[in-house]
Amino acid sequence: ETGVTQTPRHLVMGMTNKKSLKCEQHLGHNAMYWYKQSAKKPLELMFVYSLEERVENNSVPSRFSPECPNSSHLFLHLHTLQPEDSALYLCASSQLLRDREAQYFGPGTRLLVL
Amino acid sequence: AQSVSQHNHHVILSEAASLELGCNYSYGGTVNLFWYVQYPGQHLQLLLKYFSGDPLVKGIKGFEAEFIKSKFSFNLRKPSVQWSDTAEYFCAVRGTGRRALTFGSGTRLQVQP
Repeated sequence: ETGVTQTPRHLVMGMTNKKSLKCEQHLGHNAMYWYKQSAKKPLELMFVYSLEERVENNSVPSRFSPECPNSSHLFLHLHTLQPEDSALYLCASSQLLRDREAQYFGPGTRLLVL
Repeated sequence: AQSVSQHNHHVILSEAASLELGCNYSYGGTVNLFWYVQYPGQHLQLLLKYFSGDPLVKGIKGFEAEFIKSKFSFNLRKPSVQWSDTAEYFCAVRGTGRRALTFGSGTRLQVQP
């Protein structure tokens, strides 16, 4: 059982839709991450939030907009996506400033853009 | 920049065979190293991690990995695989002072009964 949950687990959207992905961590961590997992490609980091402040944006197009209202919740707002954005979107969390920190992942949201 | 190479994309073994999955990284400083596993239909799970100290790290389910600094490698091993080890295995590296992980492209392991 994972301490990081994601909803929805599956999402199909058109290119003109607006949708949001939600992530919640129950581990008391203070950092959260969005990753993209595409077929036959390594996981790609999208965003990092540390103490609710965005500290890294890995050249992600503006059609992806993250939001971190508190240390337990992370959103990824989607609008006017392209078919090539279809992928598995993974959320992770970790505890910064603690030695031997590892990231813990949620189950992901599988997104299909038509 | 940091990068990770996993040279074995697909490995097929019979049960009880020994396993070694290669992982090489590129980074100019001190690193933290991880192996994650993704079983079919499940989320990424941490298998083991290396931060410092003994370069031979033991993880869950009988897996271990050895950090060889001179070779920039962190290979994953298991003496005797089981059918339930069928999964995709990802090596990841994080440079000291960085927050994010860089992942390899993964190795799909198929264990035949």
